[in-house]
Amino acid sequence: DIVMTQAPLSVSVTPGESASISCRSSKSLLHSNGITYVYWYLQKPGKSPQLLIYRMSNLASGVPDRFSGSGSETDFTLKISRVEAEDVGIYYCGQLLENPYTFGAGTKLELK
Amino acid sequence: QVTLKESGPGILQPSQTLSLTCTFSGFSLSTYGMGVGWIRQPSGKGLEWLANIWWDDDKYYNPSLKNRLTISKDTSNNQAFLKITNVDTADTATYYCARMVLITHVMDAWGQGASVTVSS
Repeated sequence: DIVMTQAPLSVSVTPGESASISCRSSKSLLHSNGITYVYWYLQKPGKSPQLLIYRMSNLASGVPDRFSGSGSETDFTLKISRVEAEDVGIYYCGQLLENPYTFGAGTKLELK
Repeated sequence: QVTLKESGPGILQPSQTLSLTCTFSGFSLSTYGMGVGWIRQPSGKGLEWLANIWWDDDKYYNPSLKNRLTISKDTSNNQAFLKITNVDTADTATYYCARMVLITHVMDAWGQGASVTVSS
């Protein structure tokens, strides 16, 4: 199975400042078609996960452009600029390249 | 607007079979490229993908649970189903279904989740 490792486990951010979350995969997520199959989800408290970024750098519909995704074949970053109160929750990276699809353990974002 | 809603028994006993239903709207599982996936999350823990089914009835299972899982669909009623046999306390979790889209290969819309407790 592909292991997804996130860092840090938690991050505390002052509203208005930026935050970055890292994710590393145990295997390249770059397909031969040129697409990198890494995804980012946010699970707000008491809610189901919502898609933020798909295929490494594509912003999902309705997601503010304060969110951005980048990376290489095995190292990925979610950046949140100008953090707002509504951004609080647990962020998960996941891979949908191969079965079984797997997720990182999550990074909890809190406000200072 | 795409919506999904999971339903299940709430509580069941060890060794029983867990039956979950995902009722959705805003898309059809008879449309090319559409699929439904099942993911679970034990309380306070991370996400575990279980299975998914596509419009053409192609099915994929997590190998760690494959022998216990059966995924199916009812296209005419916009429903997808997941059965887990021989449950034990480790299957206690919130179970989510999510729409999958082949073109972007993404799980882009999730249900609110159904809480399942396995207890004697």
